[in-house]
Amino acid sequence: KQEVTQIPAALSVPEGENLVLNCSFTDSAIYNLQWFRQDPGKGLTSLLLIQSSQREQTSGRLNASLDKSSGRSTLYIAASQPGDSATYLCAVPFSGGYNKLIFGAGTRLAVHP
Amino acid sequence: GAVVSQHPSWVICKSGTSVKIECRSLDFQATTMFWYRQFPKQSLMLMATSNEGSKATYEQGVEKDKFLINHASLTLSTLTVTSAHPEDSSFYICSAQRLAGGQRNEQFFGPGTRLTVL
Repeated sequence: KQEVTQIPAALSVPEGENLVLNCSFTDSAIYNLQWFRQDPGKGLTSLLLIQSSQREQTSGRLNASLDKSSGRSTLYIAASQPGDSATYLCAVPFSGGYNKLIFGAGTRLAVHP
Repeated sequence: GAVVSQHPSWVICKSGTSVKIECRSLDFQATTMFWYRQFPKQSLMLMATSNEGSKATYEQGVEKDKFLINHASLTLSTLTVTSAHPEDSSFYICSAQRLAGGQRNEQFFGPGTRLTVL
């Protein structure tokens, strides 16, 4: 059974710091991994999707890496800004499938000026 | 592109009434949509998978007679919470899967619907 864990659960940093958010999963037979952002009371915004054949994806100040063999992914946020404050979720497909997603509990990030 | 909308964004109802939530993919077709529920400070939990033209597939522990799902077209799925009770109060989020070929199958999420049952 696939389980997804995110560390840390919460993070508070001053503006400008570079951050690393961690995601681990128990079943390495995944097709892809997605990182999402959720603002309070809002839906999810897809940030990055990494295919199983890829090792990393970049979008602006965000960089996500994937190591299937070790069951890990990291989301790197460069030069953090107060507007980055949100909950970051990673998700992988259910074991044996590529449709249904199982989510980690998320990392709540607060970037203060 | 790839915008998903939900209606209503919030709803308050009395215990015992039924509430319908709509999920629409605005600029793409989605043969598969998913319904999630999120309790405060918790992550998303998948409730059911909605396939256009067929019956929904419910996750273990989700009552199919209580949470009715209809996927009437390639751009619309509805979730009806029947005989709602206070414990059904939650944030309901849908997602739509755009088939972009291969194993991509990226999901796009709606803005969510806040349901409060008094």
